[in-house]
Amino acid sequence: SQELEQSPQSLIVQEGKNLTINCTSSKTLYGLYWYKQKYGEGLIFLMMLQKGGEEKSHEKITAKLDEKKQQSSLHITASQPSHAGIYLCGAEGGSEKLVFGKGTKLTVNP
Amino acid sequence: KAGVTQTPRYLIKTRGQQVTLSCSPISGHRSVSWYQQTPGQGLQFLFEYFSETQRNKGNFPGRFSGRQFSNSRSEMNVSTLELGDSALYLCASSFGRTNTGELFFGEGSRLTVL
Repeated sequence: SQELEQSPQSLIVQEGKNLTINCTSSKTLYGLYWYKQKYGEGLIFLMMLQKGGEEKSHEKITAKLDEKKQQSSLHITASQPSHAGIYLCGAEGGSEKLVFGKGTKLTVNP
Repeated sequence: KAGVTQTPRYLIKTRGQQVTLSCSPISGHRSVSWYQQTPGQGLQFLFEYFSETQRNKGNFPGRFSGRQFSNSRSEMNVSTLELGDSALYLCASSFGRTNTGELFFGEGSRLTVL
């Protein structure tokens, strides 16, 4: 079955700094999804990438999909305390609705 | 448009008991999927229902079951609770099965088993 590995597991940055979160798949990616979760709450959909080389941005968050490397990256520019939370990548896992990585916990210090 | 509603939000049970969790999807959504989230295992897929039929099931024991009603509301049941069942149970809905990725999640039901 497909597995997604995220790195780093946790990240502490100073407000205003840029950061990158990576998601690597054990199998070919046909669709990659990024979600954000506030502690103990539900997930909020951020964006979906479907084609190799695809790049999408929403406000200060940019995600890219590298199909050859079976990898996606999420980049946050000029981080703010509101960006804090857990970021999870998800991919279509065959018989499963979505397979998720274990998440990257982001802390942004003011 | 109301979001996905899960009830109860918090509950405490003891080993051996059973629990039923409820999920009301976004109006018009026919697919409901359930996930278990724990610190050690992360998010794990439990099952998916579409038009009252279970379409997919994750790798969980038979103690975990679910159903979906004609109005798309879904319930999941865990019988003979074990300590390891303590987790955040998340429900997600989508319009159809083809929209696999853009799921709309509820805030979850946090189950503590003592």
